[in-house]
Amino acid sequence: DTGVSQDPRHKITKRGQNVTFRCDPISEHNRLYWYRQTLGQGPEFLTYFQNEAQLEKSRLLSDRFSAERPKGSFSTLEIQRTEQGDSAMYLCASSLQLEAFFGQGTRLTVV
Amino acid sequence: GIQVEQSPPDLILQEGANSTLRCNFSDSVNNLQWFHQNPWGQLINLFYIPSGTKQNGRLSATTVATERYSLLYISSSQTTDSGVYFCAVRGVTDSWGKLQFGAGTQVVVTP
Repeated sequence: DTGVSQDPRHKITKRGQNVTFRCDPISEHNRLYWYRQTLGQGPEFLTYFQNEAQLEKSRLLSDRFSAERPKGSFSTLEIQRTEQGDSAMYLCASSLQLEAFFGQGTRLTVV
Repeated sequence: GIQVEQSPPDLILQEGANSTLRCNFSDSVNNLQWFHQNPWGQLINLFYIPSGTKQNGRLSATTVATERYSLLYISSSQTTDSGVYFCAVRGVTDSWGKLQFGAGTQVVVTP
């Protein structure tokens, strides 16, 4: 068990570009979550998958954001036409039951 | 949705001191977790404690679900305890996916 893994750890992009992040959950975990954290705040929920089904999306997840979990294993989070306000830490978590385990996060900076 | 309040927002301790962090929540919960966010941004699981008392080394936690609060105790603090401590809960009426985080307690332990 190597824990939840996220890639890349850091991403700097120009405004208007598209970016994609990857999350590999703990292997036996069927639930996967994405959160976003801005400076000085607690993480905020974005979306949740059970196996390959996306069961919930936050209102924070605008039309520019899309998440997939095609085979019920890893997940990707894509942000299209990035804006400076998208700069944040993007955290992925997974769980088998109620207790969630988080990855190291991907820190996005939009310049 | 469920509201989570953490106190104090900031805490400065001398090495060796003890402290108590508090988490109040506004509704019944089926999940409560305490996390420590390290300087690199990763959320480290401390306790999964929707009710009762647990101890892990110098840390312990108590959740009194009927009174809607949880306490995290740090004893004999060390400089490595510095960081932000988050409480996160899932209300019984919330969907499975959504953990609601408090704003955190920033802890600084000085040598």
